[in-house]
Amino acid sequence: QITLKESGPTLVKPTQTLTLTCTFSGFSLTTSELGVGWVRQAPGKALEWLALIHWNDDKRYNPSLKTRLTITQDTSKNQVVLTMADMDPVDTATYYCVHSLRELQLRSGFFYYNMGVWGKGTTVTVSS
Amino acid sequence: SYELTQPPSVSVSPGQTARITCSGDTLPKQYVCWYQQKPGQAPVVVMDKDTERPSGIPERFSGSSSGRTVTLTISGVQPEDEAEYYCQSSDSGGRYPVFGGGTKLSVL
Repeated sequence: QITLKESGPTLVKPTQTLTLTCTFSGFSLTTSELGVGWVRQAPGKALEWLALIHWNDDKRYNPSLKTRLTITQDTSKNQVVLTMADMDPVDTATYYCVHSLRELQLRSGFFYYNMGVWGKGTTVTVSS
Repeated sequence: SYELTQPPSVSVSPGQTARITCSGDTLPKQYVCWYQQKPGQAPVVVMDKDTERPSGIPERFSGSSSGRTVTLTISGVQPEDEAEYYCQSSDSGGRYPVFGGGTKLSVL
């Protein structure tokens, strides 16, 4: 059974750096085309994909947030860490860790991503 | 940035058919994944690769694709289907995931 659990601060101040940890079980991030990523959801808003790190350390970032995000993995601990710099009140959201299976679509040459398993999410409030 | 367009809301009565659309320029050559999210819960995949229903998802959920539009259809809608539904595909270069803006399904 695949599980993911997010951990990190519930409150951060503006301009601080947020560090979130995803601890997972039931799979290995060394398995081909698997990835672990982060998705957030501001209150009452849509899902927003943030970042993904794959089995081969291939990292993908949301272009609109790329300069603020860093995703890393510790395969020995089954953990993925996301840091987001320069936090702002608009970054207040629930942050979800996700298990992602990536597949190359032969008809387009594009990757298809199935984020099939999600953690319960952790709520982060940005306020002074 | 690449966008996937969904209607903000769809309303149906119990037992009717709900159709939720997702439109995007590259959808003719890219798959879409659909997620259901109920209040206070994490999203759950209800349709994979346009038309593949994951195990455990009721048969009343189906998917189809035509040109720029992919459709999630819920036949014989049940009250428990009331939720937010998100489509997700890849950006125009196929490099990273993109979500649609979500559709609130109301079962009246």
